[in-house]
Amino acid sequence: GEDVEQSLFLSVREGDSSVINCTYTDSSSTYLYWYKQEPGAGLQLLTYIFSNMDMKQDQRLTVLLNKKDKHLSLRIADTQTGDSAIYFCAESRDLTGTASKLTFGTGTRLQVTL
Amino acid sequence: SAVISQKPSRDICQRGTSLTIQCQVDSQVTMMFWYRQQPGQSLTLIATANQGSEATYESGFVIDKFPISRPNLTFSTLTVSNMSPEDSSIYLCSAPDRLGNYGYTFGSGTRLTVV
Repeated sequence: GEDVEQSLFLSVREGDSSVINCTYTDSSSTYLYWYKQEPGAGLQLLTYIFSNMDMKQDQRLTVLLNKKDKHLSLRIADTQTGDSAIYFCAESRDLTGTASKLTFGTGTRLQVTL
Repeated sequence: SAVISQKPSRDICQRGTSLTIQCQVDSQVTMMFWYRQQPGQSLTLIATANQGSEATYESGFVIDKFPISRPNLTFSTLTVSNMSPEDSSIYLCSAPDRLGNYGYTFGSGTRLTVV
């Protein structure tokens, strides 16, 4: 079955870059996602990448995908205290026009210190 | 992206009772998904709800415990039946974003505590 793993905790200083890593096992994953969950809140979609891409950039966020190694990373540039949250990677096997379930990683708690 | 209104946002319930959670989407979607997030854990899919057919449940989840309704393309409910303290979790619904966007939007979640 699908398995998505993340490190549990990351601490960075404000202004530094954060890199959150994720590994997955399902080679048929078509889309990979990064979600942010702040305390007491739902999930906010940050970005997603199609499996035939190796990089996607969106303002302070850079997603890198190594499909051969089944490794996904999220880089947050100039990390701010407002970035403190739990970050989940997730994968799906969407077919064109057909939604499918998301399989979530274990979540990485990002702590930003002053 | 789609917007989902989920309610209640939180509830404290007595064991043995049932709670129904509602999700309203601002656009028509064929599929909706219900997830459970146990304390300090990741999200686990409970079931997929298609309009006009029975929900499809994941391993470990059964219809008698988590009945789902999907009366139209913008609305779904999940009932947590005969609750026990082990059911204390956050329950979230999700739907695919609008056509051409492969993201998924989530409701704000229902934080359930069973006492």
